[in-house]
Amino acid sequence: DAKTTQPTSMDCAEGRAANLPCNHSTISGNEYVYWYRQIHSQGPQYIIHGLKNNETNEMASLIITEDRKSSTLILPHATLRDTAVYYCIDSRANSGNTPLVFGKGTRLSVIA
Amino acid sequence: GAVVSQHPSWVICKSGTSVKIECRSLDFQATTMFWYRQFPKQSLMLMATSNEGSKATYEQGVEKDKFLINHASLTLSTLTVTSAHPEDSSFYICSARESSGRRDTQYFGPGTRLTVL
Repeated sequence: DAKTTQPTSMDCAEGRAANLPCNHSTISGNEYVYWYRQIHSQGPQYIIHGLKNNETNEMASLIITEDRKSSTLILPHATLRDTAVYYCIDSRANSGNTPLVFGKGTRLSVIA
Repeated sequence: GAVVSQHPSWVICKSGTSVKIECRSLDFQATTMFWYRQFPKQSLMLMATSNEGSKATYEQGVEKDKFLINHASLTLSTLTVTSAHPEDSSFYICSARESSGRRDTQYFGPGTRLTVL
């Protein structure tokens, strides 16, 4: 079973920042926080991951609280193409046999 | 990011026939690949872990004789749905984990939609 909890759905106005929260209160010290998204009828797309420091790439920013029990994915300027289900997953890194376990995710709707 | 491909992207078959789905890691080698399936409006459910050169590990409730997995090389894993029935209709997604240096990320294929008539 997934160990993270996320809101079921969120709306965001086009052009505004989308902030997607995730609780992972049982995360272990050697587990990373991964974020993926799934656009309708496609495979999940990797977005970003981090251990304890905040991370930023061309797609998004990841803010992890100091106690690592929660994080927020930030899409700085949401577009209609960002409408998708976003999954927050905690998983050990550098362990090739460990699959990602998906929860229900957050359905983000970007509205024009 | 790394690329994982699947073939075919969709398939329609008659009940009782077998269907093979291929999963390839295009620009990296993967000793381990994973197979998931997804029913409408549900999340991805892990079916099995495919290990190159050895037997796959199946999740509880997944019939190994029905869902045959072969991981013959470091870039190819296949899933064969044998004697398919309408309840096997689903979206099948494979993934491969790239672990090199700082990078350790699981990449997913585009999925294969199976419809069994």
